[in-house]
Formats: sequence, structure tokens, C-alpha cells
Amino acid sequence: AQSVTQLDSQVPVFEEAPVELRCNYSSSVSVYLFWYVQYPNQGLQLLLKYLSGSTLVKGINGFEAEFNKSQTSFHLRKPSVHISDTAEYFCAVSVDNNDMRFGAGTRLTVKP
Amino acid sequence: NAGVMQNPRHLVRRRGQEARLRCSPMKGHSHVYWYRQLPEEGLKFMVYLQKENIIDESGMPKERFSAEFPKEGPSILRIQQVVRGDSAAYFCASSKGEIGGYTFGSGTRLTVV
Repeated sequence: AQSVTQLDSQVPVFEEAPVELRCNYSSSVSVYLFWYVQYPNQGLQLLLKYLSGSTLVKGINGFEAEFNKSQTSFHLRKPSVHISDTAEYFCAVSVDNNDMRFGAGTRLTVKP
Repeated sequence: NAGVMQNPRHLVRRRGQEARLRCSPMKGHSHVYWYRQLPEEGLKFMVYLQKENIIDESGMPKERFSAEFPKEGPSILRIQQVVRGDSAAYFCASSKGEIGGYTFGSGTRLTVV
């Protein structure tokens, strides 16, 4: 079965600095990859997804991620973060739409 | 177009009571998924349902937990004889079945006292 590892449980960063949240996956078949954001006491909101095609995927709020098949990674990046980006970020993998598996999450804290 | 509606938002139960969590999918969505989020952990898949059918319940505990998605009405996640370890946030997602088409609800936070 597919699985996801998010290497950092917490990432503190100063406002306007760049950030990278790391995600590695494991699967014996082709995968679909997703990043979700969760604000306090809310559900998950889709940031971006990789289904096929270009390996560089752009999402909402200025985030982007790059699918690297050889390294089995799907790291999330933003060149300049804002205070409002403080949230929990989840990487997820699916081999079909009926079996989405999530990582443990990375708590991004943006400091002024 | 309302999103995925979960209620209640917060639920407090005493040990041994039953908890019933409801999820109304988005209009036009016939696939429902339940996840559990424990503190400091990610979302753990519990069960995947379509109307009147359980498709995959590989993530459901074998005892005390059950789920249904009737022809009419919301999907229900039922936890019988709750214990403190059941305290968690329970999230529901729905989709039309297309890849990457999940929409999540805001969750139900269950506290067992």
C-alpha cells in the first residue's frame, strides 16, 4: 500500500522568508499527490495536486510543488511566506481516488 | 452550493455512551470518506462509502465502530460504548469519484469524559 512521510513535524520561519515543506512517498504503482492546508478548528483545504503532466504544480496562495519520481518526493515551496500562512500542512498520496493516505502533517509557524 | 456539512461541530460523551456523527456530502457527490485525526497525528483513513454500500472499511476498528450512508439522508459514523481513546477530530470528505476531487467538512471534535 502507498504511504507518505513528512520529514518535518514543525517548521518555524520568519515572515517574507522562503519555505520548503518536505514530503516523500512510497508506492509500487503510479501515484497522484496532493497538498492540503488546515487552519485551526477547520477542515482541510486543497492547495494543489499532481495528477499527470508537468512535474511543477502551482496552487493557491502562491504555493507550488514539484513531483520528483526518482526521489519519490513532492516538496511544497513558497518563495515568501506571510503570517496568514501559519497552519498545518498535509501531504497525501492516492493510487486511485478511493484510497487517499495522509502524512502526519507539518506545522508551519510564520513569525513576524 | 453548500460544502460538506458535518454536525455536530463538538460532541461530548461520557465513557460508555454512544456517539453519532453526521456528514452531509456536497450536492451531486455520492462518495463519502471518513477520517480520524488524533492530536499530533495525521488523518487516518477509516471508511469509504457510496450510497447504501460500504466500499472499504479497512481503517475501521473491528469493534464498536460502524458507518452507513443510506439512500436518503446523511452518512452516519457511530461509535458505541465510547472510551477516552476515541477522543479525536473526525473528518468527512465527499467526492463525485473523480481523482483529486475530495471536499472536506469542518470536522466533529469528539471528547470523551
